[in-house]
Amino acid sequence: QLQLQESGPGLVKSSETLSLTCTVSGGSIRSAYYWAWVRQPPGKGLDWIGTIYYSGGAHYKPSLKSRVTMSIDASKNQFYLELTSATAADTAVYYCATYASPHLLEYNWLDPWGPGTLVAVSS
Amino acid sequence: HSVLTQPPSVSGAPGQSVTISCTGGNTNIGAGYTVHWYQQVPGAAPRLLIYGNNNRPSGVPDRFSGSKSGTSASLAITGLQADDEGDYYCLSFDSTLSGVFGGGTKLTVL
Repeated sequence: QLQLQESGPGLVKSSETLSLTCTVSGGSIRSAYYWAWVRQPPGKGLDWIGTIYYSGGAHYKPSLKSRVTMSIDASKNQFYLELTSATAADTAVYYCATYASPHLLEYNWLDPWGPGTLVAVSS
Repeated sequence: HSVLTQPPSVSGAPGQSVTISCTGGNTNIGAGYTVHWYQQVPGAAPRLLIYGNNNRPSGVPDRFSGSKSGTSASLAITGLQADDEGDYYCLSFDSTLSGVFGGGTKLTVL
């Protein structure tokens, strides 16, 4: 069974780039078609950031598209999130997850998830 | 605001039933995309409860059920138990090629 673990700085300065890594264990990153990032600001709901295909293509939330880049390194069994020009509004728990079913993205669901990592953006 | 609309809170006494709605539009739920449901307790990652509108993963009690009609979906919980308390979220897909979550519903077991 796949397991995911987020890692990265817990504190980022405003206007700098927020960078996170998701490490996949229990199987190959090639075993799932899509990998995703979701965030949750303190006390608020879940916010879908984007998804990356195991082949490297990606879809991003339209309102974040200008600042987000996702990438994947199959040799390390890792995928990554970069969010540029960070502001306090980007302070959140960031989760990595996978769409583990072979269904098309439109009919797919996120499971499993990593435990999440809190990133605070300081002004 | 969230693309999918959920009631902020619902409550019920132990043993009773509650329903949580998730209302979207013609570019997401109404476009035929499937709806999935998650439970989240404080300090933990979301847990998958229902996938593909009405399917339960192994280990999820049959007290949880999902349905979908038109531009809306619902999660029903019967025989409420104290450990059902938490936040519940629906997830679907949008024609903007994005995943979309509901705003979340806080379930309180009285």
